[in-house]
This record gives sequence, C-alpha cells and structure tokens, in this order.
Amino acid sequence: AQKVTQAQTEISVVEKEDVTLDCVYETRDTTYYLFWYKQPPSGELVFLIRRNSFDEQNEISGRYSWNFQKSTSSFNFTITASQVVDSAVYFCALSEARIRGDKIIFGKGTRLHILP
Amino acid sequence: GAGVSQSPSNKVTEKGKDVELRCDPISGHTALYWYRQSLGQGLEFLIYFQGNSAPDKSGLPSDRFSAERTGGSVSTLTIQRTQQEDSAVYLCASSPQWEAKNIQYFGAGTRLSVL
Repeated sequence: AQKVTQAQTEISVVEKEDVTLDCVYETRDTTYYLFWYKQPPSGELVFLIRRNSFDEQNEISGRYSWNFQKSTSSFNFTITASQVVDSAVYFCALSEARIRGDKIIFGKGTRLHILP
Repeated sequence: GAGVSQSPSNKVTEKGKDVELRCDPISGHTALYWYRQSLGQGLEFLIYFQGNSAPDKSGLPSDRFSAERTGGSVSTLTIQRTQQEDSAVYLCASSPQWEAKNIQYFGAGTRLSVL
C-alpha cells in the first residue's frame, strides 16, 4: 500500500537557521513521483517540486534543497537560512504511475514556524 | 491566466442542510480533483474527474457526498444532510492531463462549517 509519513507535526526555528523536513514513503511500484507542496496561511497549496523515482539527484533551488534517497525511501526537504515567509504547512506527497488517475497520497504535513 | 477558483470561500450551514461547493479549474485542464482537509489533518482524497467522468469515487466518505462535472470544466461537490463531522476545508485541484507525473494546481478551498 502507498503511504507517506511526515513524522514531524510541528517545528519551530529562529529565523536564519536551517531546517529539514522529513518525508518517508511506502510504495510497491517501481515508477512513482514524489512532490512537496507548501500551504501558507492563505490556504492555497503551492507546488514546490516533483521528482520521479528514476532520478535520485539532489536538487537545489535557491534556499530550498531536496534529498531523495531510494535506499531509505526518503525525500527530505531543507530550507537554508530560513525566513519568516517560510512559515507554512509543508506536505510531502506520492503518486504511483500504475494507479489509474493521479490520486496523490499526501502526508499529514509539517507545520513550520519561523520565529523572528 | 487564472488559477483554480473555488466558491464560496466560506460556508456556514446548519446540520441537516444540503450544500454545494463549486470548483472552476484552470482553463484547458482535463483532470480535476477534490480533497478534504480536516483540522490538523492531511489531505484526504475524495474523487477525481477525467473530463466529465469520475473513474475513481473510492474516496467519497458516504453516499451523502456526490460530485459532478459538466462540459469538462466546472465541478460541483454536493453534500446532503450535512453533519458536524463534515466541517472541513474542501480543496479542488486541476491538472493538464491524466498522468501520475502531473502537477496538481490547487484552489484556495472552501471552508465548510456545519453548526
């Protein structure tokens, strides 16, 4: 069965600190996609990144970076030099290619507080 | 272009009443999804549409929930005889095609409160 676990329900860090959000997934499929979405207080989920199961290269986008490790079924997200605007709920998600349609399975999210 | 639009943004209703929630996807997006987000919970998949058909209705929590999509565009999620446990934010998303790799674009949601 497919499952996404975000063990950290809530994290608080002081501005400018680095923070890593953990994501562990379960799937029986060999082809799948992993996503991170950000949900700011306004409520609208914002897409951050998509990775497919065949591409384990880490990715960096500005202050954001992602570490995908198939060996540990993890897709962790790191924010470097955090800012108050990074405060939001962050969701990790999984979509299996074999599943009809694109039902995404979301984790329960990690609420991130960046303290000024 | 415009993003996914949902209306109303907030809805307060009395227990036992019916409610309709509307989603207007991004123009040209063929796939449309409904999710429910309860307080402190993740996103719970409800239903998706490819065009006007709904191949997967497995996420609908009960027969009080139904959804339709007409003209391959606007979708309506209907909840009949609302219960207090239906209180949640209902999110709609759309994507260009029906493929697992596709990014889903979300609306801001409808916050439903059942009194």
